Amino acid sequence: QKEVEQDPGPLSVPEGAIVSLNCTYSNSAFQYFMWYRQYSRKGPELLMYTYSSGNKEDGRFTAQVDKSSKYISLFIRDSQPSDSATYLCAMRRGNTPLVFGKGTRLSVIA
Amino acid sequence: GAVVSQHPSWVICKSGTSVKIECRSLDFQATTMFWYRQFPKQSLMLMATSNEGSKATYEQGVEKDKFLINHASLTLSTLTVTSAHPEDSSFYICSAREPAPPYNEQFFGPGTRLTVL
Repeated sequence: QKEVEQDPGPLSVPEGAIVSLNCTYSNSAFQYFMWYRQYSRKGPELLMYTYSSGNKEDGRFTAQVDKSSKYISLFIRDSQPSDSATYLCAMRRGNTPLVFGKGTRLSVIA
Repeated sequence: GAVVSQHPSWVICKSGTSVKIECRSLDFQATTMFWYRQFPKQSLMLMATSNEGSKATYEQGVEKDKFLINHASLTLSTLTVTSAHPEDSSFYICSAREPAPPYNEQFFGPGTRLTVL
């Protein structure tokens, strides 16, 4: 079993839809949870981070962490064509390197 | 957020030559930098972790004699792909971590696309 599992998609939604992206993980020691957005041929860009369990909201983006279920989510409200990208979840414990999911390719259709 | 730059953004080289990629943290001092490679439609695979002033720590399966990493200052790390071969063609991305605890944000460079002919 991989440490971090993420459905690679692709996921295609109409403009304005609510998008739900998810990752599961097996290592209960993970403490920091991140979501990165990566456009084609570019480096990943940090969108959201959460420490331990809970919710965090930033504009149209909401990140949720459920440590009891080892499950994290990213919600995108009112999705836009400019949100079309690959979304990578990542997590770590302490100062260890980030462990990434495979990434989910999202297309928002106008 | 903080800015990490990489140079060059793309490079094409002949098989057997060496290529150096630079990674700079532009507005903060990074005690720790990471090097990743990414194949098309795949996730980022960590190659090595470099700490300023000490030897890099390589992930299992990564040849340290082939992928030379130098982190000589708090703002610069370099990756040299020695005797490159076509199978080394990939997207190489560096990342720098801010030193401030308790949460150390990790910022990524724009990546370098290496093509070995």
